Amino acid sequence: QVQLQESGPGLVKPSQTLSLTCTVSGGSISSDDYYWTWIRQHPGMDLEWVGYIYKTGSAYYNPSLKSRVTISIDTSKNQFSLKLSSVTAADTAVYYCATAAGTGDRRLSYWGQGTLATVSA
Amino acid sequence: IQMTQSPSSLSASVGDRVTITCRASQSIAIYLNWYQQKPGKAPNLLVYAASTLESGVPLRFSGSGSGTDFTLTISSLQPEDFATYYCQQTYSNLPFTFGGGTKVEI
Repeated sequence: QVQLQESGPGLVKPSQTLSLTCTVSGGSISSDDYYWTWIRQHPGMDLEWVGYIYKTGSAYYNPSLKSRVTISIDTSKNQFSLKLSSVTAADTAVYYCATAAGTGDRRLSYWGQGTLATVSA
Repeated sequence: IQMTQSPSSLSASVGDRVTITCRASQSIAIYLNWYQQKPGKAPNLLVYAASTLESGVPLRFSGSGSGTDFTLTISSLQPEDFATYYCQQTYSNLPFTFGGGTKVEI
């Protein structure tokens, strides 16, 4: 069973870049079966789909974040990463990494525990 | 694509039948998934493709619908089912948006 673990700084200053990594275990990030996904949840609020990446490196982003977000994949480390630039307080959220099925339903079957990223001076 | 869930919260008792609805702003065929989230935890997949129960999910959960209107039903509410439920559309248009959530309370 695939397991995911987010890591990264819990505190980021405004205008800087938020960088998070998701380490995959119990499966290969080179699998055909998954799109490697980032989801975020503002405190007490809705879930927001940030984007995902396939093993080929092809990435797809939420248009509302597209100019600031980059998702990359490191097959040698079985990890994928999120970078969000020019952050503001509105980017304070719990960030989850998850697997989206390679089938059309893109169901999010496996999730990390989530990591809180706070934007504050 | 906008996803609207109703109600935003409900109160129910153990043993009750509970129905949550999710409406899409345009047709999404059956590209609709349901998740359960408990406080401080990641969401957990319950139903995908509108009506397919994820492996290991109790049979009291069921999903139905197609096009723009979908429902999640809990046939007999159990104590562990008190949580927040989200729908998510995964039709072709990005982003894959979530509904606003339905909090099921005692």
